[in-house]
Amino acid sequence: KAGVTQTPRYLIKTRGQQVTLSCSPISGHRSVSWYQQTPGQGLQFLFEYFSETQRNKGNFPGRFSGRQFSNSRSEMNVSTLELGDSALYLCASSPGTDTREQYFGPGTRLTVT
Amino acid sequence: DQQVKQNSPSLSVQEGRISILNCDYTNSMFDYFLWYKKYPAEGPTFLISISSIKDKNEDGRFTVFLNKSAKHLSLHIVPSQPGDSAVYFCAASGGFKTIFGAGTRLFVKA
Repeated sequence: KAGVTQTPRYLIKTRGQQVTLSCSPISGHRSVSWYQQTPGQGLQFLFEYFSETQRNKGNFPGRFSGRQFSNSRSEMNVSTLELGDSALYLCASSPGTDTREQYFGPGTRLTVT
Repeated sequence: DQQVKQNSPSLSVQEGRISILNCDYTNSMFDYFLWYKKYPAEGPTFLISISSIKDKNEDGRFTVFLNKSAKHLSLHIVPSQPGDSAVYFCAASGGFKTIFGAGTRLFVKA
């Protein structure tokens, strides 16, 4: 089985622009979670989707949004990029209805200049 | 609001000795706890987990201990090997949310 894939792997954007990141979960997994990793902050939970519905959301501003498609693929969007949005964005998929067992993708490294 | 805390940013251990990584949590709603390992340029990979109804879970060289009254869990690696050098994240799960700690970077010296 193929693992979780994320595209693109690297991205450089300018402050004020917007960006869309994509995540394809493991086949059969219906839950997808997104995390932001920055040095010293660990993995900060962004949101989680299951069957196209957002079930939970972290404490991020409204500039961060996401969605999930009927094939379980997910996208996250960040509008009006700020320098502080530079981070590694990780996607994880889960086989069950909860998020206990998570399989992570390699992440998308976003640099905002 | 840090619900899961790993207070040691780094730990250095000699090969063959025990590595002990610690984690504290604040929310009693968490009922499942996990440890993940992360190498540079890769996503975290699952290492070991424990349910809140247990106080110990062992898998080869890795053992996780849970002290619910203290809201504390620890990961023991015995014996430590150079290949164990990585960042270790503690995570607590409840409902549809999993909260991660900031991570502890483990260095195992040969």
